[in-house]
Amino acid sequence: EIVLTQSPGTLSLSPGERATLSCRASQSVSRNRLAWYQQKADQAPRLLIYGASSRATGIPDRFSGSGSGTDFTLTISRLEPEDFAVYYCQQYGSAPDTFGQGTKLEIK
Amino acid sequence: EVQVVESGGGLVQPGGSLRLSCAASGFTSSNFWMDWVRQAPGKGLEWVANINGDGSEKNYVDSVKGRFTISRDNAKHSLYLQMNSLRAEDTAVYYCASERSGLDVWGQGTTVTVSS
Repeated sequence: EIVLTQSPGTLSLSPGERATLSCRASQSVSRNRLAWYQQKADQAPRLLIYGASSRATGIPDRFSGSGSGTDFTLTISRLEPEDFAVYYCQQYGSAPDTFGQGTKLEIK
Repeated sequence: EVQVVESGGGLVQPGGSLRLSCAASGFTSSNFWMDWVRQAPGKGLEWVANINGDGSEKNYVDSVKGRFTISRDNAKHSLYLQMNSLRAEDTAVYYCASERSGLDVWGQGTTVTVSS
């Protein structure tokens, strides 16, 4: 099983700032099948990025994903008020799929 | 509209059983893997199981192997999760999701509570 470790656990930033979230895998993620999700309170998760760097339908271009192998990054270029939420990475290249423990992005 | 809708959650005693259902609409679900993901109260997301388009391949997280069974009925555009020998630690919101490119369509979730 691939273990995903996200850092930091909590990130405190202000609107307009840049956010950088990390996801590190215990072994290489097959075919870079790494996704990022956003979850707000009492809502289902929303897919942001798949295949490590492809934006899902309707996702603003301030969200970008990068990385390969074992190290992946989600970048939000300029934070909007609605971006404060919890973010999860997931690998779906090797069974069983696994999620990271999440990064909470909070308003500073 | 592309959507999936879960049902079947509820309160069950430890050791009991429950069957969750997920109805897909607005897309040809039989072409895609479908997944179950759960979230315990106040906790993160945990992937539970998935099944390929024709039902011939299934994967499970270790903690549910031998207790949970994922299945699908493509004629009914439906996904199921049969949960047996339920434990308190299975208490969670269970989400159904389609796996087209990542988990791109999620339902609103159905709550399972295992308690005496």
